[in-house]
Amino acid sequence: AQKITQTQPGMFVQEKEAVTLDCTYDTSDPSYGLFWYKQPSSGEMIFLIYQGSYDQQNATEGRYSLNFQKARKSANLVISASQLGDSAMYFCAMRETNTGNQFYFGTGTSLTVIP
Amino acid sequence: DADVTQTPRNRITKTGKRIMLECSQTKGHDRMYWYRQDPGLGLRLIYYSFDVKDINKGEISDGYSVSRQAQAKFSLSLESAIPNQTALYFCATSDPHRESTDTQYFGPGTRLTVL
Repeated sequence: AQKITQTQPGMFVQEKEAVTLDCTYDTSDPSYGLFWYKQPSSGEMIFLIYQGSYDQQNATEGRYSLNFQKARKSANLVISASQLGDSAMYFCAMRETNTGNQFYFGTGTSLTVIP
Repeated sequence: DADVTQTPRNRITKTGKRIMLECSQTKGHDRMYWYRQDPGLGLRLIYYSFDVKDINKGEISDGYSVSRQAQAKFSLSLESAIPNQTALYFCATSDPHRESTDTQYFGPGTRLTVL
């Protein structure tokens, strides 16, 4: 079974609007971390935001927030006030403690911001 | 200067050739990783190392080998390259002792083409 599932291969959003990128995960480990990375067309992987499994509040970093619904095993990324520079691939990832802190990545969502 | 560097950034080689990809980091992190990225498949873990004397196979280690020459250096070798090893290769580092989230930080990537 896939550890991380991103069901949206591609998304479009109007500039200045908010967009939600979906991510669901599968683990039986009570201790895990969830991450989002951005990959622009230049190719580098840029860390955006982190949510720990024991964190009570949703993580926020500037225009990025993570909608963490533990019972549903979802960790959606919300980007507010989209900008043209947000156009990129976005990857959700999970770190499991019981597999030696290995990371598992989803297949990514391509976001295009329309002017 | 970048914290995680990879050399070369681009490489074209022929089937059967031996090739080495190098990764260096100035972050002082203990843990280093090698991933490959293929279109539509996200990132997959090849090998990882939690310290100089610790090397572990990841999800797709066949056809690859690694060497952890020092805390700051982690090399990936393809002993006899084949066309399906054409991919974007990433090195990453992390350190749970320095950062409790154990976030992975990526190098800029090496684009490898095997003809």
